[in-house]
Amino acid sequence: AQSVSQHNHHVILSEAASLELGCNYSYGGTVNLFWYVQYPGQHLQLLLKYFSGDPLVKGIKGFEAEFIKSKFSFNLRKPSVQWSDTAEYFCAVNRAAGNKLTFGGGTRVLVKP
Amino acid sequence: DGGITQSPKYLFRKEGQNVTLSCEQNLNHDAMYWYRQDPGQGLRLIYYSQIVNDFQKGDIAEGYSVSREKKESFPLTVTSAQKNPTAFYLCASSPRADNQPQHFGDGTRLSIL
Repeated sequence: AQSVSQHNHHVILSEAASLELGCNYSYGGTVNLFWYVQYPGQHLQLLLKYFSGDPLVKGIKGFEAEFIKSKFSFNLRKPSVQWSDTAEYFCAVNRAAGNKLTFGGGTRVLVKP
Repeated sequence: DGGITQSPKYLFRKEGQNVTLSCEQNLNHDAMYWYRQDPGQGLRLIYYSQIVNDFQKGDIAEGYSVSREKKESFPLTVTSAQKNPTAFYLCASSPRADNQPQHFGDGTRLSIL
């Protein structure tokens, strides 16, 4: 069975700092990769997705993620965070043409003003 | 505006009772999903449905049941057999079951009295 690991459960940083959240998955075949964000009191929203093509994916709100197949990783980055980036971030994976999304445990990010 | 409506937002249940959580979508999506969200564990798939009158068990289906009699509705029943039902439940939908980002509702928080 596939699994998804997010290395950090909690991250605290100051505004303007750079953010990188790790995500590794265990499935060896072709995968689709997603990052979702859950802002306080709001529903889960898609931040970005990777299906194929350029492994560097740009998402909303200045986020990007890089798919490194050899490392089974899909890390999320933002060069300069804002207080409004305070949220919980979830990495998710499904097999290409698959119908079951597997989520990581989530990383709570707190950005101090 | 199209979206997913989950009701109620908060639900309390006595031990030994079954309770049904509502999920309605007006996005004309074929596929619908139920997840359970627990702190530090991310989202775990309970059941999913790719089309009307069809559904499959997810990773943690024991103690739960679903029905999909209409395209827009996918209610989840938490039965008395579910040993630890206190959790946050999220409903999601996608245009098709494969390769598609999922759209999420606002969730229902279930607590046992």
